[in-house]
Amino acid sequence: GAGVSQSPSNKVTEKGKDVELRCDPISGHTALYWYRQSLGQGLEFLIYFQGNSAPDKSGLPSDRFSAERTGGSVSTLTIQRTQQEDSAVYLCASSPRGSYNSPLHFGNGTRLTVT
Amino acid sequence: AQRVTQPEKLLSVFKGAPVELKCNYSYSGSPELFWYVQYSRQRLQLLLRHISRESIKGFTADLNKGETSFHLKKPFAQEEDSAMYYCALRDISSGSARQLTFGSGTQLTVLP
Repeated sequence: GAGVSQSPSNKVTEKGKDVELRCDPISGHTALYWYRQSLGQGLEFLIYFQGNSAPDKSGLPSDRFSAERTGGSVSTLTIQRTQQEDSAVYLCASSPRGSYNSPLHFGNGTRLTVT
Repeated sequence: AQRVTQPEKLLSVFKGAPVELKCNYSYSGSPELFWYVQYSRQRLQLLLRHISRESIKGFTADLNKGETSFHLKKPFAQEEDSAMYYCALRDISSGSARQLTFGSGTQLTVLP
């Protein structure tokens, strides 16, 4: 079956430009997460969506970052006025529900390079 | 705040040797611990979780609340175990129960 799908797989952009990263979760999964994976930094939580509840945005590093999830399915992470420190792999994950015993299913990530 | 520490960024062992990947955590409530693994050119995936008390691919991990550790062990490493391993914690008693906190990862290389 299809797993979590992310696009694009690679994105190179110039400093100051806006970028949009897309995530298609596994069908039926109500919980969706965005993480950022930087070299030597591990995985940094960004934002969490659960059903129709208000998203948990506590991990977004600045107001240049925003995310939305339309129709409880596809999610878009937007980074405005990109900076070089935004370069990282952005991972999306989904789970059947947001409870503590639901493992996360990750996508392959989008590698963002800001030049 | 919850925190996960993996003290080794890189770990190399020879095939057939025992391997232990260290993970220590700090928490303010009831933790649930996980190990995730990322093989070369593959996506990050769940390896095991402490509540299941399972052995996956020969790996086991025991939660030691006294030492706040959740080390991953395998008695005889194989070359196919080479991968990046992440320890993760979810505090099920706090308002942040919905998110996992990950360590910085350990790159394991099993030498022939």
